[in-house]
Amino acid sequence: AQSVTQLGSHVSVSEGALVLLRCNYSSSVPPYLFWYVQYPNQGLQLLLKYTSAATLVKGINGFEAEFKKSETSFHLTKPSAHMSDAAEYFCAVAGNTPLVFGKGTRLSVIA
Amino acid sequence: DTEVTQTPKHLVMGMTNKKSLKCEQHMGHRAMYWYKQKAKKPPELMFVYSYEKLSINESVPSRFSPECPNSSLLNLHLHALQPEDSALYLCASTSGTSGLNTEAFFGQGTRLTVV
Repeated sequence: AQSVTQLGSHVSVSEGALVLLRCNYSSSVPPYLFWYVQYPNQGLQLLLKYTSAATLVKGINGFEAEFKKSETSFHLTKPSAHMSDAAEYFCAVAGNTPLVFGKGTRLSVIA
Repeated sequence: DTEVTQTPKHLVMGMTNKKSLKCEQHMGHRAMYWYKQKAKKPPELMFVYSYEKLSINESVPSRFSPECPNSSLLNLHLHALQPEDSALYLCASTSGTSGLNTEAFFGQGTRLTVV
């Protein structure tokens, strides 16, 4: 069985500040991990993915995530938030089943 | 082409209507999915088609009827829906059904309102 827990349903940061969105996973098989972003009334767009090739993964729009097996974590970070980063972010895990999504974290960016 | 195209973008239907949602991809993906997403919630898996055969039905009511006419197309037929079925319906595709092959490409969704 696989599951994902996203800590914090809402995160608010100032423009230019560090963004940190937390994700912990549980998986009975080696996991593949993904971060998706969703803007209002749109579909989900892949930000980045962990494929076991490297533990630090760089994605689009300046986001990156680090896979830490010992902590079963895959937290998403961005050094400097931009107003356009305001959106809903979903962490997801895959293995031998279709994607399982976390409950999502809404990121607000304050000017 | 990494697009998944869904039509229509918006749909309003009465509880006695019959309508269909359509989804198309040309990435050669062999698995296609329907998800339902309510406001402020994650997508919930409804159906999975693998190689044009229904492989997963997450106990979805029969008023939702999926169809996969070929490897590029996925339909969702709607009949006698309830107001609580109002949601964003997302289509997705993946190259496979396990591991890294489950990186999903999503369409923009159909916003369905049942009146």
